[in-house]
Amino acid sequence: DAEITQSPRHKITETGRQVTLACHQTWNHNNMFWYRQDLGHGLRLIHYSYGVQDTNKGEVSDGYSVSRSNTEDLPLTLESAASSQTSVYFCASSERGRVNNEQFFGPGTRLTVL
Amino acid sequence: KNEVEQSPQNLTAQEGEFITINCSYSVGISALHWLQQHPGGGIVSLFMLSSGKKKHGRLIATINIQEKHSSLHITASHPRDSAVYICAVYGGTSYGKLTFGQGTILTVHP
Repeated sequence: DAEITQSPRHKITETGRQVTLACHQTWNHNNMFWYRQDLGHGLRLIHYSYGVQDTNKGEVSDGYSVSRSNTEDLPLTLESAASSQTSVYFCASSERGRVNNEQFFGPGTRLTVL
Repeated sequence: KNEVEQSPQNLTAQEGEFITINCSYSVGISALHWLQQHPGGGIVSLFMLSSGKKKHGRLIATINIQEKHSSLHITASHPRDSAVYICAVYGGTSYGKLTFGQGTILTVHP
């Protein structure tokens, strides 16, 4: 069955380190998204991509970057981790080509920055 | 004021009760998602709708585009329905990107 996976599921790192969170989907979806979820803020969009070589900033993109070299993967990199980036991160994907696209979410990565 | 408002923020029910969660939005939309998140768990899409009503098992979702309002109903609630329910909308001019409500925490007691 097609699915969307994230790794690692849990990560503890130190301030200043570079961290990369992986997202892989097997639906062949063109659209992929990264969100963070925090108490009091709900889900917020970090970066998104509508296809290979396409990346766009979301509402909370500072300190994060993404790259899209193939359809299946959209890794999220924290260039220099900060304690404010402690959060749960969700990746999602959706089919391109229609306005109303259902998004499918990964299981999440819990990141702690000490 | 958030573009997507959910009510109530917290809801406690007894097993078997009929439950309604409301979502109001202030922008024009092309579609609306209802999502479910169990404690410590991932996010699951329950419905996506742009008009009318959809039903899946004990769950029913309705939307009124003119009134900018959607409801999620759970009939014969069960403790396993305990979760956070999130409303999210696709803005009319924003392709592919969702705007989320803050979520409604539902607890169903046996």
